[in-house]
Amino acid sequence: ILNVEQSPQSLHVQEGDSTNFTCSFPSSNFYALHWYRWETAKSPEALFVMTLNGDEKKKGRISATLNTKEGYSYLYIKGSQPEDSATYLCAFSSNDYKLSFGAGTTVTVRA
Amino acid sequence: GAVVSQHPSRVICKSGTSVKIECRSLDFQATTMFWYRQFPKKSLMLMATSNEGSKATYEQGVEKDKFLINHASLTLSTLTVTSAHPEDSSFYICSAGTQGSYSNQPQHFGDGTRLSIL
Repeated sequence: ILNVEQSPQSLHVQEGDSTNFTCSFPSSNFYALHWYRWETAKSPEALFVMTLNGDEKKKGRISATLNTKEGYSYLYIKGSQPEDSATYLCAFSSNDYKLSFGAGTTVTVRA
Repeated sequence: GAVVSQHPSRVICKSGTSVKIECRSLDFQATTMFWYRQFPKKSLMLMATSNEGSKATYEQGVEKDKFLINHASLTLSTLTVTSAHPEDSSFYICSAGTQGSYSNQPQHFGDGTRLSIL
């Protein structure tokens, strides 16, 4: 079992504020790092798949960075909106076919 | 595109009943599907990898005879919880990749099934 940790477990942010949170994973045998957004009563939606150290990816107001040498990824939300409220999952892979998920960071954006 | 449909979304049944959960890829062919289980406030735990036309690959600690997986076509995988007991109550969710099982590709998830065994 690969240890993937996400912190914090939950956070509240005021509408318009920016926030970020962390995914930690083993720094050896890196293959890929995924981020998903999971809204209540919906299916997890893929945000990013990152494979190279130093990768930075962006989708609208959401972006992610990757440091494979130290084993962490940050997800950033700029100018949070109520529709950003969701649980954000990261998943790590050390091979080409299996993902190990973190428990998620639940973001609540207050209007 | 890349829609995965999972049914049922919620099941409540008596102890000893067998329950079948379906996972369908609606607009792509999925040679491989993944089945996960999630306990409250915990991460998604991979139970098994479902391969079209062959036997599923189960993760360590997952009982093959308890969780039967069938992947008879390129668009359908089923998970049957046999003789379910209250400890099998959980959230089950499937996923598939449009380009097979490779983990450098995003996974597309169903909505999940909440199973409650009385």
